[in-house]
Amino acid sequence: EPEVTQTPSHQVTQMGQEVILRCVPISNHLYFYWYRQILGQKVEFLVSFYNNEISEKSEIFDDQFSVERPDGSNFTLKIRSTKLEDSAMYFCASSAPWRSPLHFGNGTRLTVT
Amino acid sequence: QQQVKQSPQSLIVQKGGISIINCAYENTAFDYFPWYQQFPGKGPALLIAIRPDVSEKKEGRFTISFNKSAKQFSLHIMDSQPGDSATYFCAASRTRTQGGSEKLVFGKGTKLTVNP
Repeated sequence: EPEVTQTPSHQVTQMGQEVILRCVPISNHLYFYWYRQILGQKVEFLVSFYNNEISEKSEIFDDQFSVERPDGSNFTLKIRSTKLEDSAMYFCASSAPWRSPLHFGNGTRLTVT
Repeated sequence: QQQVKQSPQSLIVQKGGISIINCAYENTAFDYFPWYQQFPGKGPALLIAIRPDVSEKKEGRFTISFNKSAKQFSLHIMDSQPGDSATYFCAASRTRTQGGSEKLVFGKGTKLTVNP
């Protein structure tokens, strides 16, 4: 079964550094998402992306965050200047046309020291 | 209004028993209610989902019961097995016009432990 793949599985960075989290969504999917999960807490929506533009973003997704689909297969989340509170598990998800379920990757654990 | 409230926070069940997890929502515009199962170190995986045009959906040992008037929905796991031990999240979203995306609002999760 096709799956969403995320790299790296664990990223450690120092506060103030830029990080890029990478995702390869399922190939025929059209909608792409980033969610995050702070340890022990619920999964929170960050941003959705469709037709090469952001379709919705949460209040968490401030100017420090950006997303990009640089080619036909990758979907990236960039955090420009990381803060300690950005430490979390970041999940990429994708879905096929309208009303189809979201498929999540296994996540990237980001640790900001 | 965007919240989905989930209970209990944790649940311990004996093998063969029934596990029941409940969720409540406020936003009446929500029209899609999935349950996700998450094992440690993995992403959430869709288990079962329901739309409000039906009051119950069953897939194998997993059943969603949906009460539109009470704005509640629940997951029932029949004949619970140790392999079902995981964290379960309910979620809700509003279907947008075609071409839009569905932002999922998640509950806080229930850690289920099924003892052998």
